[in-house]
Amino acid sequence: GAVVSQHPSWVICKSGTSVKIECRSLDFQATTMFWYRQFPKQSLMLMATSNEGSKATYEQGVEKDKFLINHASLTLSTLTVTSAHPEDSSFYICSARPGVGGETQYFGPGTRLLVL
Amino acid sequence: DAKTTQPPSMDCAEGRAANLPCNHSTISGNEYVYWYRQIHSQGPQYIIHGLKNNETNEMASLIITEDRKSSTLILPHATLRDTAVYYCIVRGNNYGQNFVFGPGTRLSVLP
Repeated sequence: GAVVSQHPSWVICKSGTSVKIECRSLDFQATTMFWYRQFPKQSLMLMATSNEGSKATYEQGVEKDKFLINHASLTLSTLTVTSAHPEDSSFYICSARPGVGGETQYFGPGTRLLVL
Repeated sequence: DAKTTQPPSMDCAEGRAANLPCNHSTISGNEYVYWYRQIHSQGPQYIIHGLKNNETNEMASLIITEDRKSSTLILPHATLRDTAVYYCIVRGNNYGQNFVFGPGTRLSVLP
């Protein structure tokens, strides 16, 4: 099946620093990638949808200036958490969809962020 | 909001079939039923999806009722490694439609 990777798998940072998370589709091209956030004992919540070569679409309540998303190629999307604070500590998961519409989404293994 | 309802938790004995139900009474004609599972501290794993016919693959079987208002995911011989949260998601296959995750069913496979 299709494989999506994320890097790093976990990161610990100090409050106020920025953290970049990479999401790669390894064996397919993804015109659309999605970023989710999952807090402990909760379900996944969609943060934003990114399309290759265009600006990301953010869900209501997600600050676009705080969570910067770049989807510069068909196999790579990045999420940068700027000026991270302890409340940003969470499990961040990306997913990618091959082709345009009508396709299954494949999820990465997730990145656990801990902000001290 | 999620368009599906699932029991919050289920137990299953190892080696037995696990039958996970899902209600999606408001499903529309062009919406598929997808199943994913999430093992602790990992990303969701795709299991199976279907429109109206029953589907089977190497992981599971998906049984969709004739009126499409409910479905059942069947793991034929559950193992301890099948312990996970199982999500039933309804989504159309039009461009731009996203997956909305509900709380899912926490399946515990017991030895």
